[in-house]
Amino acid sequence: AAGVIQSPRHLIKEKRETATLKCYPIPRHDTVYWYQQGPGQDPQFLISFYEKMQSDKGSIPDRFSAQQFSDYHSELNMSSLELGDSALYFCASSLTSGEETQYFGPGTRLLVL
Amino acid sequence: GIQVEQSPPDLILQEGANSTLRCNFSDSVNNLQWFHQNPWGQLINLFYIPSGTKQNGRLSATTVATERYSLLYISSSQTTDSGVYFCAVEETSGSRLTFGEGTQLTVNP
Repeated sequence: AAGVIQSPRHLIKEKRETATLKCYPIPRHDTVYWYQQGPGQDPQFLISFYEKMQSDKGSIPDRFSAQQFSDYHSELNMSSLELGDSALYFCASSLTSGEETQYFGPGTRLLVL
Repeated sequence: GIQVEQSPPDLILQEGANSTLRCNFSDSVNNLQWFHQNPWGQLINLFYIPSGTKQNGRLSATTVATERYSLLYISSSQTTDSGVYFCAVEETSGSRLTFGEGTQLTVNP
Protein backbone atom coordinates (compact mmCIF):
# COMPACT_ATOMS: atom_id res chain seq x y z
CA ALA A 1 0.00 0.00 0.00
CA ALA A 2 1.14 3.53 -0.71
CA GLY A 3 2.60 5.43 2.21
CA VAL A 4 3.37 9.05 3.01
CA ILE A 5 6.44 10.24 1.13
CA GLN A 6 8.77 12.90 2.47
CA SER A 7 11.74 14.53 0.85
CA PRO A 8 14.52 15.03 1.42
CA ARG A 9 15.19 12.37 4.03
CA HIS A 10 18.25 14.18 5.36
CA LEU A 11 19.19 17.83 5.18
CA ILE A 12 22.14 19.78 6.50
CA LYS A 13 21.95 23.57 6.62
CA GLU A 14 23.90 26.44 8.11
CA LYS A 15 22.42 28.92 10.60
CA ARG A 16 20.30 31.62 8.98
CA GLU A 17 19.76 29.53 5.85
CA THR A 18 16.38 28.45 4.47
CA ALA A 19 15.02 24.92 4.10
CA THR A 20 11.98 23.47 2.31
CA LEU A 21 10.57 20.10 3.29
CA LYS A 22 8.10 18.30 1.07
CA CYS A 23 5.34 15.85 1.87
CA TYR A 24 3.22 13.69 -0.43
CA PRO A 25 0.22 12.24 1.44
CA ILE A 26 -1.36 8.88 0.86
CA PRO A 27 -3.58 9.10 -2.24
CA ARG A 28 -7.13 10.30 -1.47
CA HIS A 29 -6.18 11.48 2.02
CA ASP A 30 -7.54 14.99 2.54
CA THR A 31 -5.65 16.11 5.66
CA VAL A 32 -1.94 16.69 6.14
CA TYR A 33 -0.16 17.30 9.43
CA TRP A 34 3.38 18.42 10.29
CA TYR A 35 5.15 17.43 13.52
CA GLN A 36 8.59 18.27 14.90
CA GLN A 37 10.52 15.84 17.09
CA GLY A 38 13.60 17.19 18.87
CA PRO A 39 16.32 14.85 20.14
CA GLY A 40 15.01 12.65 22.94
CA GLN A 41 11.57 14.26 22.80
CA ASP A 42 8.12 13.28 21.65
CA PRO A 43 6.69 14.68 18.40
CA GLN A 44 5.06 18.10 18.69
CA PHE A 45 2.29 19.27 16.38
CA LEU A 46 3.15 22.22 14.13
CA ILE A 47 0.34 22.76 11.63
CA SER A 48 -2.32 20.95 9.59
CA PHE A 49 -4.25 21.41 6.37
CA TYR A 50 -7.64 20.08 5.34
CA GLU A 51 -8.57 20.31 1.67
CA LYS A 52 -5.73 22.80 1.09
CA MET A 53 -6.85 25.17 3.85
CA GLN A 54 -5.02 25.56 7.15
CA SER A 55 -7.12 23.71 9.70
CA ASP A 56 -5.09 23.93 12.93
CA LYS A 57 -1.92 25.58 14.15
CA GLY A 58 0.32 24.51 16.98
CA SER A 59 3.65 25.70 18.27
CA ILE A 60 5.04 26.66 14.88
CA PRO A 61 7.57 29.50 14.89
CA ASP A 62 6.79 32.59 12.83
CA ARG A 63 9.91 31.78 10.80
CA PHE A 64 8.14 28.70 9.50
CA SER A 65 5.32 28.64 6.98
CA ALA A 66 3.50 25.84 5.23
CA GLN A 67 0.96 25.28 2.52
CA GLN A 68 -0.90 22.53 0.76
CA PHE A 69 -1.09 22.56 -3.01
CA SER A 70 -3.81 21.59 -5.47
CA ASP A 71 -2.34 18.06 -5.81
CA TYR A 72 -2.51 17.77 -1.98
CA HIS A 73 1.21 17.70 -1.45
CA SER A 74 2.45 20.01 1.27
CA GLU A 75 5.61 22.00 1.87
CA LEU A 76 7.08 23.30 5.11
CA ASN A 77 9.29 26.34 4.58
CA MET A 78 11.75 27.22 7.29
CA SER A 79 13.71 30.46 7.21
CA SER A 80 16.47 31.98 9.36
CA LEU A 81 17.33 28.54 10.63
CA GLU A 82 18.59 28.23 14.20
CA LEU A 83 20.57 25.47 15.88
CA GLY A 84 17.44 24.54 17.85
CA ASP A 85 15.58 23.75 14.65
CA SER A 86 17.66 20.57 14.32
CA ALA A 87 15.05 17.84 14.60
CA LEU A 88 13.15 15.10 12.86
CA TYR A 89 10.22 16.54 10.93
CA PHE A 90 7.29 14.24 10.25
CA CYS A 91 4.45 14.65 7.87
CA ALA A 92 1.28 12.61 8.44
CA SER A 93 -1.92 12.24 6.48
CA SER A 94 -5.42 11.01 7.21
CA LEU A 95 -8.82 10.59 5.61
CA THR A 96 -11.32 12.64 7.57
CA SER A 97 -14.41 10.74 6.53
CA GLY A 98 -13.11 7.33 7.54
CA GLU A 99 -11.25 5.87 10.50
CA GLU A 100 -9.10 8.89 11.20
CA THR A 101 -5.80 7.12 11.67
CA GLN A 102 -2.87 9.41 11.05
CA TYR A 103 -0.22 7.70 8.97
CA PHE A 104 3.27 9.07 9.37
CA GLY A 105 5.96 9.45 6.76
CA PRO A 106 9.57 8.41 7.35
CA GLY A 107 10.54 11.93 8.40
CA THR A 108 13.14 14.46 7.31
CA ARG A 109 16.15 14.69 9.58
CA LEU A 110 17.33 18.32 9.62
CA LEU A 111 20.68 19.28 11.05
CA VAL A 112 21.49 22.97 11.43
CA LEU A 113 25.18 23.76 11.89
CA GLY B 1 -4.46 21.21 26.55
CA ILE B 2 -4.79 17.51 27.15
CA GLN B 3 -2.14 15.72 29.20
CA VAL B 4 -0.81 12.31 28.20
CA GLU B 5 1.26 10.27 30.62
CA GLN B 6 3.00 7.02 29.78
CA SER B 7 4.50 4.48 32.13
CA PRO B 8 6.99 3.11 32.69
CA PRO B 9 9.44 5.54 31.07
CA ASP B 10 12.00 2.76 30.60
CA LEU B 11 11.66 -1.00 30.45
CA ILE B 12 14.32 -3.68 30.01
CA LEU B 13 13.25 -7.22 29.18
CA GLN B 14 14.79 -10.52 28.31
CA GLU B 15 13.72 -11.98 25.00
CA GLY B 16 10.54 -14.00 25.43
CA ALA B 17 9.15 -11.94 28.32
CA ASN B 18 5.76 -10.22 28.31
CA SER B 19 5.13 -6.57 29.12
CA THR B 20 2.35 -4.02 29.62
CA LEU B 21 2.70 -0.35 28.76
CA ARG B 22 0.20 2.17 30.08
CA CYS B 23 -1.11 5.47 28.76
CA ASN B 24 -3.26 7.81 30.86
CA PHE B 25 -4.95 10.87 29.37
CA SER B 26 -6.63 13.77 31.10
CA ASP B 27 -9.72 14.37 28.95
CA SER B 28 -12.12 12.74 26.49
CA VAL B 29 -10.57 11.82 23.16
CA ASN B 30 -11.73 11.12 19.61
CA ASN B 31 -8.75 9.05 18.69
CA LEU B 32 -5.94 7.15 20.37
CA GLN B 33 -3.03 5.65 18.50
CA TRP B 34 -0.07 3.57 19.60
CA PHE B 35 3.20 3.90 17.68
CA HIS B 36 6.54 2.15 17.71
CA GLN B 37 9.52 4.33 16.86
CA ASN B 38 12.36 2.14 15.72
CA PRO B 39 16.05 2.97 16.14
CA TRP B 40 16.05 4.58 12.67
CA GLY B 41 13.39 7.05 13.76
CA GLN B 42 10.45 5.67 11.82
CA LEU B 43 7.05 5.98 13.52
CA ILE B 44 5.13 2.81 12.86
CA ASN B 45 1.40 2.63 13.46
CA LEU B 46 0.49 -0.18 15.82
CA PHE B 47 -3.14 0.50 16.69
CA TYR B 48 -5.92 2.98 16.16
CA ILE B 49 -7.93 2.30 19.30
CA PRO B 50 -10.16 5.05 20.74
CA SER B 51 -12.02 2.33 22.66
CA GLY B 52 -12.19 -1.43 23.00
CA THR B 53 -9.61 -4.12 22.38
CA LYS B 54 -7.59 -5.04 19.31
CA GLN B 55 -4.98 -7.66 18.63
CA ASN B 56 -2.31 -7.94 15.98
CA GLY B 57 -0.01 -10.93 16.34
CA ARG B 58 1.98 -10.66 19.56
CA LEU B 59 0.63 -7.19 20.26
CA SER B 60 -2.72 -6.22 21.67
CA ALA B 61 -4.20 -3.02 23.03
CA THR B 62 -7.13 -2.05 25.20
CA THR B 63 -8.57 1.42 25.70
CA VAL B 64 -11.07 2.16 28.46
CA ALA B 65 -12.26 5.57 27.32
CA THR B 66 -14.53 6.17 30.32
CA GLU B 67 -11.55 5.75 32.65
CA ARG B 68 -9.14 7.55 30.32
CA TYR B 69 -6.42 4.99 29.91
CA SER B 70 -5.03 2.58 27.36
CA LEU B 71 -2.79 -0.44 27.69
CA LEU B 72 -0.42 -1.98 25.15
CA TYR B 73 0.51 -5.62 25.69
CA ILE B 74 3.59 -7.16 24.13
CA SER B 75 3.91 -10.91 24.45
CA SER B 76 6.93 -13.11 23.78
CA SER B 77 9.08 -10.05 23.18
CA GLN B 78 11.82 -10.09 20.55
CA THR B 79 14.93 -7.94 20.15
CA THR B 80 13.27 -6.25 17.18
CA ASP B 81 10.59 -4.92 19.56
CA SER B 82 13.18 -2.55 21.01
CA GLY B 83 12.54 1.15 20.54
CA VAL B 84 10.24 3.82 21.89
CA TYR B 85 6.52 3.22 22.19
CA PHE B 86 4.35 6.31 21.98
CA CYS B 87 0.73 6.79 22.84
CA ALA B 88 -0.92 9.74 21.08
CA VAL B 89 -4.42 11.13 21.50
CA GLU B 90 -6.67 13.42 19.52
CA GLU B 91 -8.80 15.76 21.61
CA THR B 92 -12.50 16.10 20.87
CA SER B 93 -11.89 19.76 19.94
CA GLY B 94 -9.52 19.12 17.05
CA SER B 95 -7.53 16.65 14.99
CA ARG B 96 -3.95 17.19 16.13
CA LEU B 97 -2.27 14.33 17.98
CA THR B 98 -0.77 14.99 21.40
CA PHE B 99 1.94 12.49 22.26
CA GLY B 100 3.04 11.10 25.57
CA GLU B 101 6.73 11.06 26.42
CA GLY B 102 7.03 7.44 25.40
CA THR B 103 8.29 4.22 26.91
CA GLN B 104 11.84 3.23 25.95
CA LEU B 105 11.82 -0.56 25.57
CA THR B 106 15.01 -2.59 25.38
CA VAL B 107 14.76 -6.32 24.72
CA ASN B 108 17.98 -8.20 25.38
CA PRO B 109 18.82 -11.51 23.71
